[in-house]
Amino acid sequence: EIVMTQSPATLSVSPGERATLSCRASQSVSSNLAWYQQKPGQAPRLLIYGASTRATGIPARFSGSGSGTEFTLTISSLQSEDFAVYYCQQYNNWWTFGQGTKVEIK
Amino acid sequence: QLQLQESGPGLVKPSETLSLTCTVSGGSISSSSYYWGWIRQPPGKGLEWIGSIYYSGSTYYNPSLKSRVTISVDTSKNQFSLKLSSVTAADTAVYYCARHITIFGVVHWFDPWGQGTLVTVSS
Repeated sequence: EIVMTQSPATLSVSPGERATLSCRASQSVSSNLAWYQQKPGQAPRLLIYGASTRATGIPARFSGSGSGTEFTLTISSLQSEDFAVYYCQQYNNWWTFGQGTKVEIK
Repeated sequence: QLQLQESGPGLVKPSETLSLTCTVSGGSISSSSYYWGWIRQPPGKGLEWIGSIYYSGSTYYNPSLKSRVTISVDTSKNQFSLKLSSVTAADTAVYYCARHITIFGVVHWFDPWGQGTLVTVSS
């Protein structure tokens, strides 16, 4: 099983600042990586697939990068609605998720 | 737009079988471009893929749950279902259904998701 490790567990950021979230795979997943946003009491929402392609309707302030084992989700200027938990998911070999990074207001 | 809705009992006794159904609206479950999946999230924890099914009945199951999981599809009702047997408290979670995007026969990410349903395992 490919293990996905996200860091940090919690990220404290002020509105308007940049947030950088990391996701590491235990073995190469090529670019077969997706990112999701989950707000309290809601289902996850797809943000990014193919490591860097924004899903339909996702604002341009969200960007993804990386390949192989190291991936990054960047939120360029945090808006109030962006405070949430973010998960990465690999789909190179079965389907596994990271444990999540909580982005909270500083 | 496509919507998914989970339904089923919110309370299941230990050792019994958890049964949930996902109803798909706004699109056909028989599309060749998608599998249909179940994912769960224990309270306060992360996400775990349970299994996925194609409209033809072809399935993938999480190896860690495979011995207890059965996923089936009813194309006439545009629904797919999850059965998880011999449940324990560790199976308490919010259960989500989701469309599992398939491209050229390769299964990828999940989009969209249902709102989820909490299933508690307790006597």
